[in-house]
Amino acid sequence: KQEVTQIPAALSVPEGENLVLNCSFTDSAIYNLQWFRQDPGKGLTSLLLIQSSQREQTSGRLNASLDKSSGRSTLYIAASQPGDSATYLCAVLYSGGGADGLTFGKGTHLIIQP
Amino acid sequence: ETGVTQTPRHLVMGMTNKKSLKCEQHLGHNAMYWYKQSAKKPLELMFVYSLEERVENNSVPSRFSPECPNSSHLFLHLHTLQPEDSALYLCASSQTRARLYTGELFFGEGSRLTVL
Repeated sequence: KQEVTQIPAALSVPEGENLVLNCSFTDSAIYNLQWFRQDPGKGLTSLLLIQSSQREQTSGRLNASLDKSSGRSTLYIAASQPGDSATYLCAVLYSGGGADGLTFGKGTHLIIQP
Repeated sequence: ETGVTQTPRHLVMGMTNKKSLKCEQHLGHNAMYWYKQSAKKPLELMFVYSLEERVENNSVPSRFSPECPNSSHLFLHLHTLQPEDSALYLCASSQTRARLYTGELFFGEGSRLTVL
């Protein structure tokens, strides 16, 4: 069964720290990997999309890396701010053939302490 | 309006009711999705519509019935639901090529469903 695992499940750090969220997936045959942010009671906001041919993507203070051979991705958040508090979800599109949607992890619940 | 819009945002229904969730996307995408988000579980794909054709339903119970009249609108018809169906239902859209999804997925705000 193709799965996505996110570690840690929850993280609380003081404002200003740099932090790394981890995502692992069970099959290296993927089309792409996407990181999302979800605020309580809200929908998902796309942060970064990495195609299988890419190694990393950057947007502002966010940097996501992809290592297909080891089945890992990391989301690096620089100079964290209280507004970064949210749940961060990793999702993988496996190369199973057909438009079968993304496989999601359970997320990392991040709290940035002011 | 821009993006993906879902209505209603909140819905409370009894087990014998019939209701529908609506999703509309203004992004010009050609694929739309229904996901279910339950507490402490990963998002679960329910249905995919690509170019207005349903390509996968992922073994969802028949009490959930999707409808996609065109590439911009998606409905989820609900009838005789169970309390365990209470969850956040999320709609998403993307741009696909052929039957492969390669584009970024954009989500709506979700419809919070409570079944009494």
